[in-house]
Amino acid sequence: DAKTTQPPSMDCAEGRAANLPCNHSTISGNEYVYWYRQIHSQGPQYIIHGLKNNETNEMASLIITEDRKSSTLILPHATLRDTAVYYCIVRVYLLNNDMRFGAGTRLTVKP
Amino acid sequence: DAGVTQSPTHLIKTRGQQVTLRCSPKSGHDTVSWYQQALGQGPQFIFQYYEEEERQRGNFPDRFSGHQFPNYSSELNVNALLLGDSALYLCASSSPSGGFLAFFGQGTRLTVV
Repeated sequence: DAKTTQPPSMDCAEGRAANLPCNHSTISGNEYVYWYRQIHSQGPQYIIHGLKNNETNEMASLIITEDRKSSTLILPHATLRDTAVYYCIVRVYLLNNDMRFGAGTRLTVKP
Repeated sequence: DAGVTQSPTHLIKTRGQQVTLRCSPKSGHDTVSWYQQALGQGPQFIFQYYEEEERQRGNFPDRFSGHQFPNYSSELNVNALLLGDSALYLCASSSPSGGFLAFFGQGTRLTVV
């Protein structure tokens, strides 16, 4: 699985959009981008995943660049409860291989 | 629909002892994976069970072993505990029908003293 690079930490004002970047320059054609988050000492929570098209669900939007070498997770209206560590993972879809977690980005939403 | 459940939530063990952690997968899921998360780090893959067999294994010593039961629930066993085994142990379940999307439990916090 491809390696990902994320900034170690970011701040965001409550009510504003949080844009979390992820670099995955060695991603393969059959690898999807997955985002999970982990609120303090809880289990990771699935947020969203995508291949090459932009994706949106009730939690967030995922923007993947045309060359697929990077992506951005967008939380449109961040709340204090969105404070967490966010993990970007690339993984072959429909292949039941393990999830390779990096250190993630610690997002702090401030009032 | 209950998600992934793990037990116990916390436990304290003494160095050299053995421990068993338990996981019940999300309804409809048949694959269980275990992860170890040390403080301040991302989860690290230990192993995965499918059809009651270990299918994949990460870089963990043989002191870490597991089992999957016919009802798809799973156990993680750690023998000869070391202080460095203190961590949050996470269980994740998945299924082919769900595109192998992994759902995690809340974890078991193991402290070795």
